[in-house]
Amino acid sequence: KAGVTQTPRYLIKTRGQQVTLSCSPISGHRSVSWYQQTPGQGLQFLFEYFSETQRNKGNFPGRFSGRQFSNSRSEMNVSTLELGDSALYLCASSLAPSGGIGEKLFFGSGTQLSVL
Amino acid sequence: SQQGEEDPQALSIQEGENATMNCSYKTSINNLQWYRQNSGRGLVHLILIRSNEREKHSGRLRVTLDTSKKSSSLLITASRAADTASYFCATAGGNTGKLIFGQGTTLQVKP
Repeated sequence: KAGVTQTPRYLIKTRGQQVTLSCSPISGHRSVSWYQQTPGQGLQFLFEYFSETQRNKGNFPGRFSGRQFSNSRSEMNVSTLELGDSALYLCASSLAPSGGIGEKLFFGSGTQLSVL
Repeated sequence: SQQGEEDPQALSIQEGENATMNCSYKTSINNLQWYRQNSGRGLVHLILIRSNEREKHSGRLRVTLDTSKKSSSLLITASRAADTASYFCATAGGNTGKLIFGQGTTLQVKP
């Protein structure tokens, strides 16, 4: 079974631009979560989608948005990029929503975004 | 804000020694998970322990959970150079429905 696929692997953008990151979950997984990882803040939860519905959202500004398609693939978008948005963006999939019932997450290798 | 806080932030040991990492959290949880991350890559799930469990084993890994102290520990026995990585605890609790990660412990195992 193929793992979680994130594209692109690396991305360089300039301030003010927007960016779209893609995540293909493991086949059969309907839940996709997104995390931002930086050296200073660690792993910060962005949002989670399950069956095309946003189930949870972290404390990020509205510039960060996401969506999930009927095939469970997910995209996240960051508009009006800032220098502080430079980070490793990780996507994870699971069979069911993470949290209460103890679903383990399967992570992709991430997209390393650099904002210049 | 982060739910889990890990201690120590960094740990350096010799191959063959045991490594112990601790995680403390703030609110009630349904379960606690440990993940490993090799440099710049995605995280890999190691083990899950539920709130009604006190100890769990998986190969060279031993996890304990003390809900009264809101803490967990991960023990890696007979460490190997390949265990060099960052280790994160993640908690899921209440109605938040999301998995929140700690800051992680960076483990270096010297050959």
